[in-house]
Amino acid sequence: EAQVTQNPRYLITVTGKKLTVTCSQNMNHEYMSWYRQDPGLGLRQIYYSMNVEVTDKGDVPEGYKVSRKEKRNFPLILESPSPNQTSLYFCASSGFVAGGVDEQFFGPGTRLTVL
Amino acid sequence: ELKVEQNPLFLSMQEGKNYTIYCNYSTTSDRLYWYRQDPGKSLESLFVLLSNGAVKQEGRLMASLDTKARLSTLHITAAVHDLSATYFCAVDHSGGGADGLTFGKGTHLIIQP
Repeated sequence: EAQVTQNPRYLITVTGKKLTVTCSQNMNHEYMSWYRQDPGLGLRQIYYSMNVEVTDKGDVPEGYKVSRKEKRNFPLILESPSPNQTSLYFCASSGFVAGGVDEQFFGPGTRLTVL
Repeated sequence: ELKVEQNPLFLSMQEGKNYTIYCNYSTTSDRLYWYRQDPGKSLESLFVLLSNGAVKQEGRLMASLDTKARLSTLHITAAVHDLSATYFCAVDHSGGGADGLTFGKGTHLIIQP
């Protein structure tokens, strides 16, 4: 089954404790992306990657890191989480069509609370 | 900075009625996406619009793109309760190349019997 998986699905942590949210896709997609969703603000892109070893900042990259060492995996790293990073996080992947991003397939989401 | 505005942000309508959701964006782009999100769920792709004048239809939903007006519409025909959801549009930053995406804030749609 074609899917994007994220782990963990729920996480409560404390300020300053480094964490990683994993994302994996089995569709051989080149494009992967991380978003955060906050009430009243919609989805905002954090980072995206067009292929292995190619990553770029989205609209809200501060406080986050990513890596793309393998095509299927795109982990999101919070080196020193703060309460303003409490949010619902989505990973997504897609192929390319006509030189640009095709429809994205979203993971189930990770609800993060930073105390 | 690319801005994407959806209107309305909240819509309550009756079954059987027609309505349109609007998505305006601020810079040149010829690539626009529509997604649906049910409460507590992830997002599901509805349409990918890749050029000026593109029109796509799936069931009671039809999406169109006017790149000159920087406007996309999502039209709902004879709404049914199952279409209740939040609908997002998203625009590619670069106007054609694979790049970042900016989402609108979403339109929360409630369809009442």
